Amino acid sequence: QVQLVQSGAEVKKPGSSVKVSCQASGGNFRSDTISWLRQAPGQGLEWMGGIVPFFGTPDYAPKFHGRVTITADESTSTAYMQLSSLRFEDTAVYFCARVWTDYGDYYFDFWGQGTVVTVSS
Amino acid sequence: EIVLKQSPGTLSLSLGDTAALSCRASQSLNSDSLAWYQQRPGQAPRLLIFGASSRVAGISDRFSGSGSGADFTLTISSLQPEDFGVYYCQQYGGSPPYTFGPGTKLEIK
Repeated sequence: QVQLVQSGAEVKKPGSSVKVSCQASGGNFRSDTISWLRQAPGQGLEWMGGIVPFFGTPDYAPKFHGRVTITADESTSTAYMQLSSLRFEDTAVYFCARVWTDYGDYYFDFWGQGTVVTVSS
Repeated sequence: EIVLKQSPGTLSLSLGDTAALSCRASQSLNSDSLAWYQQRPGQAPRLLIFGASSRVAGISDRFSGSGSGADFTLTISSLQPEDFGVYYCQQYGGSPPYTFGPGTKLEIK
């Protein structure tokens, strides 16, 4: 059973950056794909990007390309998502999730508890 | 980018009823690459169905997925109190980005 534990809530000012962590256990971190998604208040889910720690090369959704950086530390089984140039509309709950990728699939079978990021002046 | 539309936006039903939630894609999905998630308030989403109709281990058989191409349905029979929440469909049939529908809120009448 994969478990994903995320870092705590953050309050940031516009224009700054935030880095959220996601520590995994119970799976095979090196070869698992870890994705980051977000959910603005009262809104739906958006996929931001993902990474396979072994390969280290992330994929990003076009909407976030240039502002988001996803990395992974195999030594601590932790994935990170950094979002820069924060705007008020980046206020959201950010989730990490393990991705099932067998046979070319890409769906999210285990989720972290979510991290609230508030952008406020 | 593949766009998903879900209907209805809100579904108000009574305990014991059967719910039918629709998800339509802007183009046909390869290999019926569609998943369904349930999200209760304050919680992370939970995967219910993948491959349009395959139920995740441990999910009640009251949940069933059907459909193909661009038109999919999640059916929940004999509604229980724990079934109420928001349901999202997600496609993974094309190139990234992997997209979600806007959700259907299932509430108690």
